[in-house]
Amino acid sequence: GQQVMQIPQYQHVQEGEDFTTYCNSSTTLSNIQWYKQRPGGHPVFLIQLVKSGEVKKQKRLTFQFGEAKKNSSLHITATQTTDVGTYFCAGDNAGNMLTFGGGTRLMVKP
Amino acid sequence: GAGVSQSPSNKVTEKGKDVELRCDPISGHTALYWYRQSLGQGLEFLIYFQGNSAPDKSGLPSDRFSAERTGGSVSTLTIQRTQQEDSAVYLCASSSTSSEQYFGPGTRLTVT
Repeated sequence: GQQVMQIPQYQHVQEGEDFTTYCNSSTTLSNIQWYKQRPGGHPVFLIQLVKSGEVKKQKRLTFQFGEAKKNSSLHITATQTTDVGTYFCAGDNAGNMLTFGGGTRLMVKP
Repeated sequence: GAGVSQSPSNKVTEKGKDVELRCDPISGHTALYWYRQSLGQGLEFLIYFQGNSAPDKSGLPSDRFSAERTGGSVSTLTIQRTQQEDSAVYLCASSSTSSEQYFGPGTRLTVT
């Protein structure tokens, strides 16, 4: 079955440093979604990427979808303490079923 | 509008007892998902309902787990003869055809 791998599992950064998490799917995806889960909270949808090579930005967050539609990345510029949480990618292979990656837990030291 | 709601928010039960967890999806969402999340871990898919189709039960860890979705709306996840390893947060999510999932706040299950 489809697998979605996410690295790293954990990342500690100093406030102001950049952060990147990477997501790789074993199969070609129709789209990829990113979610953020704050400590003690539930996952909240951030964005969906559909097109090959697509890049989308949300303030300090930049999302990319690979040309082969099998990998994706989320980059945060100049992290802030409000960025703390776990970031999940989720791959959709056109069945309306998402396969979630294991998540990257981001910790930001003030 | 109302989001996804789940009840109870917390449930403590004794090993061997049965529990029922409830999910009220967003009105009009045809797809409903159950996930399990252990402390500090990722999302473990359990079961998926889409409209009137037969549910995808491929993620249920054992036959002690079952779920129903009545009238295409409310869903109940039932765990029979609970074990300590069932302790986790159980998350429900719903979606429309756009596939973006909206999660409920979860039910934290503790089996003592």
